Amino acid sequence: NAGVTQTPKFRILKIGQSMTLQCTQDMNHNYMYWYRQDPGMGLKLIYYSVGAGITDKGEVPNGYNVSRSTTEDFPLRLELAAPSQTSVYFCASSYSFASTLANYGYTFGSGTRLTVV
Amino acid sequence: DAKTTQPNSMESNEEEPVHLPCNHSTISGTDYIHWYRQLPSQGPEYVIHGLTSNVNNRMASLAIAEDRKSSTLILHRATLRDAAVYYCILRATIPNAGGTSYGKLTFGQGTILTVHP
Repeated sequence: NAGVTQTPKFRILKIGQSMTLQCTQDMNHNYMYWYRQDPGMGLKLIYYSVGAGITDKGEVPNGYNVSRSTTEDFPLRLELAAPSQTSVYFCASSYSFASTLANYGYTFGSGTRLTVV
Repeated sequence: DAKTTQPNSMESNEEEPVHLPCNHSTISGTDYIHWYRQLPSQGPEYVIHGLTSNVNNRMASLAIAEDRKSSTLILHRATLRDAAVYYCILRATIPNAGGTSYGKLTFGQGTILTVHP
């Protein structure tokens, strides 16, 4: 059981380039999320998905796009990379939020460190 | 969104209990209290969550005040591996356009826990 897998782990982009951050989960979770974490700060939600074919914006969606064609995969697309997108990106997944189990929560990937120069 | 307030940092000695406080005076009735921790260069790791009653799991205990305006994460015997940033988060229920909802985690800056040998 791999949990949430993110690739690549590191990437350097030039301004204006595009790339896709990959995220895959094998827990059959219906909810998936993309967060970014700037140095010394907490995480901010970029986009989320409540199931295949359904996505919605989070707090900081500008400059990003997502798709959810399968339950397992939730790629994050950066078009026209900018220095302000230099950050660490985390993908997460969860079952329905309405869990009453005491030992249940969100599972995060190990992150993608992106630098835009 | 309801906010949480945590001390910037705390210190503990190995093998001793640690009580990490969190204030959330604007919590709403449907907000779950979540705790996550983040080790350097890793994604956040779920620790525990609760709604009204105190909760225990293999990692920690969560004590929730009767008025729910504060909570305390309790690590019963700190180890060096418990050194991390601990985030107290209120999970809000956010409706989306499709008629369903998702649980939104809003991360603050957390508490840096240092554990001394």
